[in-house]
Amino acid sequence: QKEVEQDPGPLSVPEGAIVSLNCTYSNSAFQYFMWYRQYSRKGPELLMYTYSSGNKEDGRFTAQVDKSSKYISLFIRDSQPSDSATYLCAMRRGIQGAQKLVFGQGTRLTINP
Amino acid sequence: GAVVSQHPSWVICKSGTSVKIECRSLDFQATTMFWYRQFPKQSLMLMATSNEGSKATYEQGVEKDKFLINHASLTLSTLTVTSAHPEDSSFYICSAGPRQGTNSPLHFGNGTRLTVT
Repeated sequence: QKEVEQDPGPLSVPEGAIVSLNCTYSNSAFQYFMWYRQYSRKGPELLMYTYSSGNKEDGRFTAQVDKSSKYISLFIRDSQPSDSATYLCAMRRGIQGAQKLVFGQGTRLTINP
Repeated sequence: GAVVSQHPSWVICKSGTSVKIECRSLDFQATTMFWYRQFPKQSLMLMATSNEGSKATYEQGVEKDKFLINHASLTLSTLTVTSAHPEDSSFYICSAGPRQGTNSPLHFGNGTRLTVT
């Protein structure tokens, strides 16, 4: 079993739809959770960074972390064609532990005009 | 703007030659830098963790003599692919972070596409 599971998709939705992307994980030591967006032939771009459980909102993006269920989500409201990309969840243990990230497989998202 | 700069963005080399890729953190001193490899339509595969002033830690299955990592300063790490072969053709990405003394997230460079002919 992988430490982090993410549905690779592909996921295709119409413009304006609400998109929900999810990851589950097995290691309860993870404390920091990130969502990255990666366009083709580019490096990952940090979208959201959260610590422990709770919600965080930034514009059209909302990240949710439920540590009790070992489940994280990224919601995209009013989706735009420019949101078409691969979305990667990533997580790591706390500052006293290893800093390296554990990634999900990435979900390929297409927003259709 | 970009906080991690990676150079070159693409390179083509002949089989048997060596290629060096640079990764710089632009406005902060990074505790650690990481090197990843990514195959088409796949997630990032961690190759090695690089700490300034010490030897890199390689992931299982990654040949340290083939992928030489030098972390000369808190803002610069280099990956040298030695005696490159066509199977080394891939997308290589570095990341840096967190900022010293913080738990800030990792930021990534824009990647280097290596093609070995």
